[in-house]
Amino acid sequence: EAGVAQSPRYKIIEKRQSVAFWCNPISGHATLYWYQQILGQGPKLLIQFQNNGVVDDSQLPKDRFSAERLKGVDSTLKIQPAKLEDSAVYLCASSLGAIGELFFGEGSRLTVL
Amino acid sequence: GENVEQHPSTLSVQEGDSAVIKCTYSDSASNYFPWYKQELGKRPQLIIDIRSNVGEKKDQRIAVTLNKTAKHFSLHITETQPEDSAVYFCAAREGLVRDMRFGAGTRLTVKP
Repeated sequence: EAGVAQSPRYKIIEKRQSVAFWCNPISGHATLYWYQQILGQGPKLLIQFQNNGVVDDSQLPKDRFSAERLKGVDSTLKIQPAKLEDSAVYLCASSLGAIGELFFGEGSRLTVL
Repeated sequence: GENVEQHPSTLSVQEGDSAVIKCTYSDSASNYFPWYKQELGKRPQLIIDIRSNVGEKKDQRIAVTLNKTAKHFSLHITETQPEDSAVYFCAAREGLVRDMRFGAGTRLTVKP
C-alpha cells in the first residue's frame, strides 16, 4: 500500500516569508498529525485531525501557523511569517483510528535563513 | 499534559552486546507506549509497542518492559547488529484520542 506522501521534501526561505507543506495520508486513515522535529529532538505534535475536525492544536503557534484538512483527506500546514526557529523537519503522520499505529511520511525539511 | 523523558541521549555498544534505553512519563493515565526507530534522513518507523495492561512484550531481538507503578518503560535490544544503529524514540499516549508525546531520542551506535 502507498505510504504517507509529503511535499516538498526540502524548502529554503528567508525569515518573514511564508511556506506551505502538503500531506496525503494513507488511504482510509481518519487521523492525521503534523509534527515538528527540530534537529536532535523528538517529534513535537503541532496539530491532530480526526477526519476534518481538529482534535488537538494546543501546541500550534497560532499566530503564525495554520493547518487545514478540508475534505478529511489531504492536509496543508502553513507558516506565515516564518522565523529562524521554525527551521525543522515537518513530519506528517496518519493512523487508521485515534488509537492505531502512526505511519510517518518522509518529512519536509524547512530551512529559514 | 504528558511529559516523556528518555535516557541516555547517546549509547554506543559493541556488536553482539545488549542495549537498553529507558523512558519515564508523567501522566498516570497514559496507556499506550510505542517505540520508533529513525535512521538518518528517514521517517520514524514503529518497531514495538506495549499497552498498559501488559508488563512485557517481545519480538525477536527486541523487547519492551513497562512498570506502571514507577511510570517508566524500557526498550531492550539483544545481540545488537550494525544495522540497529539509529535514533530511537519512545512515546506515550493517554486515552483514545489524546496526542502522542515523544521523548528526545537516543542515538544508538553499534560498532562492528
